[in-house]
Amino acid sequence: AQSVTQPDIHITVSEGASLELRCNYSYGATPYLFWYVQSPGQGLQLLLKYFSGDTLVQGIKGFEAEFKRSQSSFNLRKPSVHWSDAAEYFCAVGSFSGGYQKVTFGIGTKLQVIP
Amino acid sequence: GAGVSQSPSNKVTEKGKDVELRCDPISGHTALYWYRQSLGQGLEFLIYFQGNSAPDKSGLPSDRFSAERTGGSVSTLTIQRTQQEDSAVYLCASSSGYRGPYGANVLTFGAGSRLTVL
Repeated sequence: AQSVTQPDIHITVSEGASLELRCNYSYGATPYLFWYVQSPGQGLQLLLKYFSGDTLVQGIKGFEAEFKRSQSSFNLRKPSVHWSDAAEYFCAVGSFSGGYQKVTFGIGTKLQVIP
Repeated sequence: GAGVSQSPSNKVTEKGKDVELRCDPISGHTALYWYRQSLGQGLEFLIYFQGNSAPDKSGLPSDRFSAERTGGSVSTLTIQRTQQEDSAVYLCASSSGYRGPYGANVLTFGAGSRLTVL
């Protein structure tokens, strides 16, 4: 069974500082990986995805993530955080099984940005 | 429609009452997912539809929960005899359902229905 671990439930960073949110997945084959962001009272918005190819993927809002197969990780990074980045971030792993795409989410990391 | 639409956005009900939550997916999306988001629990998979059939309903927590989809479009999640532990945000997502060139596709989420059971 596939699973996702986000070890940090809460992270606080200063505005302008760099950010790295950790994500580790468990899946036997090459996974499909996603990062979503959820602002308060909103649904989930896709930040970026990895399906194949270049292991460093760029997303919206200046975010990037790197797929490291050897570490089973897909960490999200941003070089300089803005106050508007305060939200909850979810890592997810997808796979096809029995003809349908199963997507499993992590527990989420809540990001607080301080001035 | 342009996005995934869910209604109601907020629902407060008394313990023991039945509730229905509705999801209107993106037009043309054949795959539809329901997830539950409880405080500190992340997103818990409930059920998946491909067209009108539900090949995976393994995440439904009890027989009080059921879902249907009609016309390959709108889906309704029904919770009977609600309990306080059912309080959560129920999220619906849809996708094209077809395996893309890289073998996967993106889920697009609605804003969710917040259910509070008193």
